[in-house]
Amino acid sequence: AQTVTQSQPEMSVQEAETVTLSCTYDTSESDYYLFWYKQPPSRQMILVIRQEAYKQQNATENRFSVNFQKAAKSFSLKISDSQLGDAAMYFCAYRSAMYGNKLVFGAGTILRVKS
Amino acid sequence: GAGVSQTPSNKVTEKGKYVELRCDPISGHTALYWYRQSLGQGPEFLIYFQGTGAADDSGLPNDRFFAVRPEGSVSTLKIQRTERGDSAVYLCASSLMAMNTEAFFGQGTRLTVV
Repeated sequence: AQTVTQSQPEMSVQEAETVTLSCTYDTSESDYYLFWYKQPPSRQMILVIRQEAYKQQNATENRFSVNFQKAAKSFSLKISDSQLGDAAMYFCAYRSAMYGNKLVFGAGTILRVKS
Repeated sequence: GAGVSQTPSNKVTEKGKYVELRCDPISGHTALYWYRQSLGQGPEFLIYFQGTGAADDSGLPNDRFFAVRPEGSVSTLKIQRTERGDSAVYLCASSLMAMNTEAFFGQGTRLTVV
């Protein structure tokens, strides 16, 4: 079974600075998808960024980018120019490309942004 | 609809009671998922529907939990003989198709069993 590990329960960043959230995963599959979701206090999970495992190029969405290291099974999220609105719980998630459709989530990292 | 809608937003029930949680997916989305998120944890998969049928119910913890989607749209998660350990946020998500399409989440139902 696949597992996702987020080793940082909580992180803090100063407004306008850069922060990196860590995620590692375990799988025997070669084709899969990785995601970062943001969950504000409203509870609604919002997709931040997505990476296909067969793509070597790291995904980027505006201030959000990932460092995908397939061999190391690592998938970190970098947030540049942090804003107060970035404060939330962030979840890393895995989904098989071939078997099933469920997302496997990590335990999450609380991100606090200081003004 | 504009997004995935879940009702009620919050539900408090007594131990041993029966509860129903409703999910209204985005119109036209054929895939629907239920997840359970305990306090301080990431969501855990419960069940996945493709159309009207449950394609994967491997995440349902026991036979007190059951879900239906009779017309391939609205889904109801049913919990019998609730226990305090069932207290959690129940999240629903839908996607246009099963594979390779983004899942959109609702705001969840916070269930508290007292």
